Amino acid sequence: ETGVTQTPRHLVMGMTNKKSLKCEQHLGHNAMYWYKQSAKKPLELMFVYNFKEQTENNSVPSRFSPECPNSSHLFLHLHTLQPEDSALYLCASSQRGLAGGPGELFFGEGSRLTVL
Amino acid sequence: EDKVVQSPLSLVVHEGDTVTLNCSYEVTNFRSLLWYKQEKKAPTFLFMLTSSGIEKKSGRLSSILDKKELFSILNITATQTGDSAIYLCAVGVNNNAGNMLTFGGGTRLMVKP
Repeated sequence: ETGVTQTPRHLVMGMTNKKSLKCEQHLGHNAMYWYKQSAKKPLELMFVYNFKEQTENNSVPSRFSPECPNSSHLFLHLHTLQPEDSALYLCASSQRGLAGGPGELFFGEGSRLTVL
Repeated sequence: EDKVVQSPLSLVVHEGDTVTLNCSYEVTNFRSLLWYKQEKKAPTFLFMLTSSGIEKKSGRLSSILDKKELFSILNITATQTGDSAIYLCAVGVNNNAGNMLTFGGGTRLMVKP
């Protein structure tokens, strides 16, 4: 148990489906993140939320739509995905430092997405 | 563009060996350098380094940062099969968006019995 839980752990979807990934953190953190991990590539930051406000959208296609209703929950809504979007999607949280610097990230177990 | 490069890409050793993993970086507004271990799914935190020359140690693992030469190393002594994992280096920067971590590609370590 890492304090960050993600559901579902595995998801298979067709290109025309709409699905959502969910993340919940129980650590009292004020920043949450979505990362994408593809085979043989570094972890790619997708979105950052500080105090529920989106502060970073790292040139992510609009078929990925994040939602952060409160500081403990983060969603990633998926629609009309492409096979190349198949990857492990990791959610993370952290406590933003007093000087604004990044603190230690706590990761969830990830949602393994396969797009057919 | 911020860049973090890890080497080697992969490494195979035998139990009891000592390994050194490397991480070099080129970023603006450096705040910290972090090491993570990823065995199956969730990367788990190992160290956070912010000052040059101060070694951080946890059991058989240790790490040090050189902010002048822009690199860090992660040492593992007396390796065990349980050390087999991907080791990720990430550099934290502070920009207008706030918290940002840029990850390297990782080093895949396999420890054979």
